[in-house]
Amino acid sequence: DIQMTQSPSSLSASVGDRVTITCRASQSISSYLNWYQQKPGKAPKLLIYAASSLQSGVPSRFSGSGSGTDFTLTISSLQPEDFATYYCQQSYSTSFGPGTKVDIK
Amino acid sequence: QVQLQESGPGLVKPSQTLSLTCTVSGGSISSGDYYWSWIRQPPGKGLEWIGYIYYSGSTYYNPSLKSRVTISVDTSKNQFSLKLSSVTAADTAVYYCARGVTGTTLGEWVDYWGQGTLVTVSS
Repeated sequence: DIQMTQSPSSLSASVGDRVTITCRASQSISSYLNWYQQKPGKAPKLLIYAASSLQSGVPSRFSGSGSGTDFTLTISSLQPEDFATYYCQQSYSTSFGPGTKVDIK
Repeated sequence: QVQLQESGPGLVKPSQTLSLTCTVSGGSISSGDYYWSWIRQPPGKGLEWIGYIYYSGSTYYNPSLKSRVTISVDTSKNQFSLKLSSVTAADTAVYYCARGVTGTTLGEWVDYWGQGTLVTVSS
């Protein structure tokens, strides 16, 4: 099984901050890596697919990069609506990372 | 606009079978461009794949749940279903149905989700 880890598990940030979340796979998954945002009581929402492709309708302040085993999600300027939990998901053999909670500093 | 809606009992007794149905609107469940998933989230915890099914009928099940899970499709009703047998309190979770994109060289991803339904396992 491919294990996914995320770091940090949580972070506190201010509006306007640049935020970076890291996701690591236990073996190479090429670019088969997706990112989702989940707000409390809501279903997850797709942000990034195939490591770096922005889903339609998602603001351009979100970006993804990486390949192989190491990936990042970057929010260039954190907005109030971005406070949420972020999950990476590998589609090589299908599993989610444990999540990173972004809250207000 | 594609919409997915879960339905089924919100309370299931231990050792019984959990049964949920997802009704898809705004798109055909028979399209080869998509797969149809069940994902769950225990209260306060992360997301866990249960499994998914392609229009062809082929399935993937999470190895940790495989012996208890069945996912099926009813194309005449544009629905797909989940059965999870021998449930325990550990199966208490919000259950999501979702549509995944497949058939690309870029991998697969979930682009539409249902709102989720809480299923509690308790006597």
